[in-house]
Amino acid sequence: AQSVAQPEDQVNVAEGNPLTVKCTYSVSGNPYLFWYVQYPNRGLQFLLKYITGDNLVKGSYGFEAEFNKSQTSFHLKKPSALVSDSALYFCAVRDRTGGFKTIFGAGTRLFVKA
Amino acid sequence: DAMVIQNPRYQVTQFGKPVTLSCSQTLNHNVMYWYQQKSSQAPKLLFHYYDKDFNNEADTPDNFQSRRPNTSFCFLDIRSPGLGDAAMYLCATAKLAGEKLFFGSGTQLSVL
Repeated sequence: AQSVAQPEDQVNVAEGNPLTVKCTYSVSGNPYLFWYVQYPNRGLQFLLKYITGDNLVKGSYGFEAEFNKSQTSFHLKKPSALVSDSALYFCAVRDRTGGFKTIFGAGTRLFVKA
Repeated sequence: DAMVIQNPRYQVTQFGKPVTLSCSQTLNHNVMYWYQQKSSQAPKLLFHYYDKDFNNEADTPDNFQSRRPNTSFCFLDIRSPGLGDAAMYLCATAKLAGEKLFFGSGTQLSVL
């Protein structure tokens, strides 16, 4: 069975500082990995994905994520946080051998303080 | 613009009264998903379709049913809503296995 863990309920950073939101996963095969962001009372918006190739993937709004197969991690990063980055972030995984089933982590709330 | 549309945005129903939530898409995607999300928790997958092939999650209550009459539309039927079914219901689509999900804005369901 596939699963996703986001160990931090909340991450607090000051504007201009780098941010990291952590994600680890468990799948039986090789994963597709995704990050989504959710603003209040809205659906989820896609940020970036890892399919294959370069372990460092770049996405929307200056976000990037690093795939680490040995640590089964896919942490979301940004070099310089903005107040407008404050939102709920979800990591998601899809097992390549498991059809289209996509499972989400519990989410991490990011607060960026001015 | 092509998109995923959920109606209504807010739905209020009574305890035990059947309710249907709808989702439509103009993306012509093969895969459609229904997720339940409570209070900023992880979206919980209820079921998904690949074309007309229906995939139910093992822990989805029998109270929840779904229909996909064509590529564009998908419905979530809750036969006898309980107070615990109050949640945000999210519809999403995807074209291929490795592709991102496109989400609708969700339907916030209240059960009185």
